[in-house]
Amino acid sequence: QQPVQSPQAVILREGEDAVINCSSSKALYSVHWYRQKHGEAPVFLMILLKGGEQKGHEKISASFNEKKQQSSLYLTASQLSYSGTYFCGTENGNNQGGKLIFGQGTELSVKP
Amino acid sequence: GAGVSQSPRYKVTKRGQDVALRCDPISGHVSLYWYRQALGQGPEFLTYFNYEAQQDKSGLPNDRFSAERPEGSISTLTIQRTEQRDSAMYRCASSYLDRASPYGYTFGSGTRLTVV
Repeated sequence: QQPVQSPQAVILREGEDAVINCSSSKALYSVHWYRQKHGEAPVFLMILLKGGEQKGHEKISASFNEKKQQSSLYLTASQLSYSGTYFCGTENGNNQGGKLIFGQGTELSVKP
Repeated sequence: GAGVSQSPRYKVTKRGQDVALRCDPISGHVSLYWYRQALGQGPEFLTYFNYEAQQDKSGLPNDRFSAERPEGSISTLTIQRTEQRDSAMYRCASSYLDRASPYGYTFGSGTRLTVV
């Protein structure tokens, strides 16, 4: 079952912060985050593993709450280069694991 | 190769024709995944392989879709008797281990299929 992302879209001014949420109804083994710019392939940002901790990548970090089957992506002091569509991909914590099921995406626009 | 390579980049075909989409993963990557992505949507899972073995084909829409990876490297996704609803971006991804974690996917640039 597809994870649900919120919000669907967000517009920021450069330097502002944003949070993107990803929620699943299934027990999860991991949550992955990808960013896709217009006309390009999705690019891997980071992974949160079951039992793992909050992770960071420059000013982009994420957390994973296993009990709630939720993950959040935090973008701090946003830059123009952060613009794009962000997808979470979830890997189930059972025999159906191995592949990712992606959310519908959150479109982020950072304005000067 | 350095990245995941897909060919052709664009394919226009007439309804009813068969098409074959090719994916060449990163050398040494164990798993290979096929997704379909509609405009403005997230990638939709189709099927995946570990080495040459097809592990999961639960996402293939119907029996017109098939995939193979005979030598555990290059994969082909075949769509028979194409229909207009098959029009989409088809993306391939590969991963170093036999599952998505912990290294994530590297996606190819995709094949844009248009059925007219």
